[in-house]
Amino acid sequence: EAQVTQNPRYLITVTGKKLTVTCSQNMNHEYMSWYRQDPGLGLRQIYYSMNVEVTDKGDVPEGYKVSRKEKRNFPLILESPSPNQTSLYFCASSLREAPTDTQYFGPGTRLTVL
Amino acid sequence: AQTVTQSQPEMSVQEAETVTLSCTYDTSESDYYLFWYKQPPSRQMILVIRQEAYKQQNATENRFSVNFQKAAKSFSLKISDSQLGDAAMYFCAYDDYAGGTSYGKLTFGQGTILTVHP
Repeated sequence: EAQVTQNPRYLITVTGKKLTVTCSQNMNHEYMSWYRQDPGLGLRQIYYSMNVEVTDKGDVPEGYKVSRKEKRNFPLILESPSPNQTSLYFCASSLREAPTDTQYFGPGTRLTVL
Repeated sequence: AQTVTQSQPEMSVQEAETVTLSCTYDTSESDYYLFWYKQPPSRQMILVIRQEAYKQQNATENRFSVNFQKAAKSFSLKISDSQLGDAAMYFCAYDDYAGGTSYGKLTFGQGTILTVHP
């Protein structure tokens, strides 16, 4: 089954404790992206990657890191989490080919930073 | 920068009735995609419908259709014969593309919570 998976689905942590949220897709998509969802703000892009070893900042990259060593994986790293990073996080992937280009989303990761 | 605005934080509809969700966007580009995503309580983001800006014909998917007004930069979603399973948060989203390849960044609106009454 074609899908984007994220782990963990739920995470409660404390300020300053490094964490990684994994993202994996099995559709051989070139493009992967991370978004955060906050009430009243919709989803905002954190980082994106157009291919292996190619990453760039989105709209809200502060406090986050990413890496793309393999095509299928795109982990999100919070080296020193803070309470303002409490949010719902989504990973997404797509082929980036018109006219069928559509982003497929993972199930989301609910992060709470105390 | 592109912006997407959903001015209706909440909407409600009776089962079997029709409801329209509004979305406006701001862009200086001529080629782009527009989407409506549904987010049920499970939080999964589900693509409802997409519209390519170069197409004048409004997209339809079963009970879902859009009213795309390019000059007005308006992209509303109409849900006909509403069902209880349509209850969800709905997001409007915008995606640039050039030369047939998407940049891949979605810009989302704030979302509209749709309640369906039996």
